[in-house]
Amino acid sequence: DTEVTQTPKHLVMGMTNKKSLKCEQHMGHRAMYWYKQKAKKPPELMFVYSYEKLSINESVPSRFSPECPNSSLLNLHLHALQPEDSALYLCASSQTRDRDRYGYTFGSGTRLTVV
Amino acid sequence: SQQGEEDPQALSIQEGENATMNCSYKTSINNLQWYRQNSGRGLVHLILIRSNEREKHSGRLRVTLDTSKKSSSLLITASRAADTASYFCATDGPLRNNDMRFGAGTRLTVKP
Repeated sequence: DTEVTQTPKHLVMGMTNKKSLKCEQHMGHRAMYWYKQKAKKPPELMFVYSYEKLSINESVPSRFSPECPNSSLLNLHLHALQPEDSALYLCASSQTRDRDRYGYTFGSGTRLTVV
Repeated sequence: SQQGEEDPQALSIQEGENATMNCSYKTSINNLQWYRQNSGRGLVHLILIRSNEREKHSGRLRVTLDTSKKSSSLLITASRAADTASYFCATDGPLRNNDMRFGAGTRLTVKP
């Protein structure tokens, strides 16, 4: 299995809702990432997990709460979002050894709309 | 935060022509990678060049890296309509923190 699977593909939520984005990989990668991408902009790093521990939080607002329950799963819990949080949320994974040889594997993303 | 700039922002060429995209970055790097993105969906890894390498080839792709100028270029030879996409460079920092950051991207259109 050489894929990163993200669910759902599309999500519409109100500003008072609580929802979660899910990401799963079975490549044995021990680093997993959340990126946020607005239209016609590059992806922006949000969170990095390395060996299931949060290693980077790019000053993301607390209404975004990441969770890595095991080495294959990464969740992003959403609560009280704002319309400006509407974006494509991308999950990625990578090896932690030999990182100079291999790139990251990205999921196809969750397109989030906050109404 | 974004790592650097890409040039041009948009490029339109005819099928069969070569496409060159440039990327500049701001900080020291461990490696530089190029990704393709179709229609705002997931990114596909194209090629990785390490900081101690100067040039790398993969099929119709050629990447160069000049660490003294903090710049890289991606050449796609004999372009095809299917190459139409956005192309991003991304840099992995030297601290091995897994903090890969993307440049602004180039939107490539290949006309049949």
